[in-house]
Amino acid sequence: EDQVTQSPEALRLQEGESSSLNCSYTVSGLRGLFWYRQDPGKGPEFLFTLYSAGEEKEKERLKATLTKKESFLHITAPKPEDSATYLCAVRGGLTFGKGTHLIIQP
Amino acid sequence: EPEVTQTPSHQVTQMGQEVILRCVPISNHLYFYWYRQILGQKVEFLVSFYNNEISEKSEIFDDQFSVERPDGSNFTLKIRSTKLEDSAMYFCASRTTSGRNEQYFGPGTRLTVT
Repeated sequence: EDQVTQSPEALRLQEGESSSLNCSYTVSGLRGLFWYRQDPGKGPEFLFTLYSAGEEKEKERLKATLTKKESFLHITAPKPEDSATYLCAVRGGLTFGKGTHLIIQP
Repeated sequence: EPEVTQTPSHQVTQMGQEVILRCVPISNHLYFYWYRQILGQKVEFLVSFYNNEISEKSEIFDDQFSVERPDGSNFTLKIRSTKLEDSAMYFCASRTTSGRNEQYFGPGTRLTVT
């Protein structure tokens, strides 16, 4: 059975304090690993897709990396507007993890 | 910037009633999806639709559910006889066929079954 586990469930950081979110997965066919951002009461917003181990993608303060068993979303010098729930999904985006609720305090 | 739209934003219905949730995908997209998210839980895949037929569905998508593309712009999810446990946020998503699998999600319809 496909499984996606995200950790930590919640993370509170000070503005400027860098950290990483983890997404570990067990899946029969990866078909890409996706990162989304979800704000309260809204639909997920696409951030990145990673297809093969060693691949990296960057966007502003976010950088996603992929290994054969997990992916990391690194957040560098975050700002309060980065506060959101970050979702990881595999199997072409069809199987989601529960997300990491990130709060950046000013 | 093109976006996925969904109507209504909030639907309240009584148990046993039929509901239809509507979505307008991004115009040049050809893959369409429905997901649901029960409050406080993870996003769950329901169904994907391509070339006027279901391409994949989850165990959640049983005979109570159906999807349709009634015209060139709308994509609908019908729940025939709603149950209390159908209360959730329902998201529509779409993507191109360019080989990039990134899906673009709508703002969701909050369905409340009483």
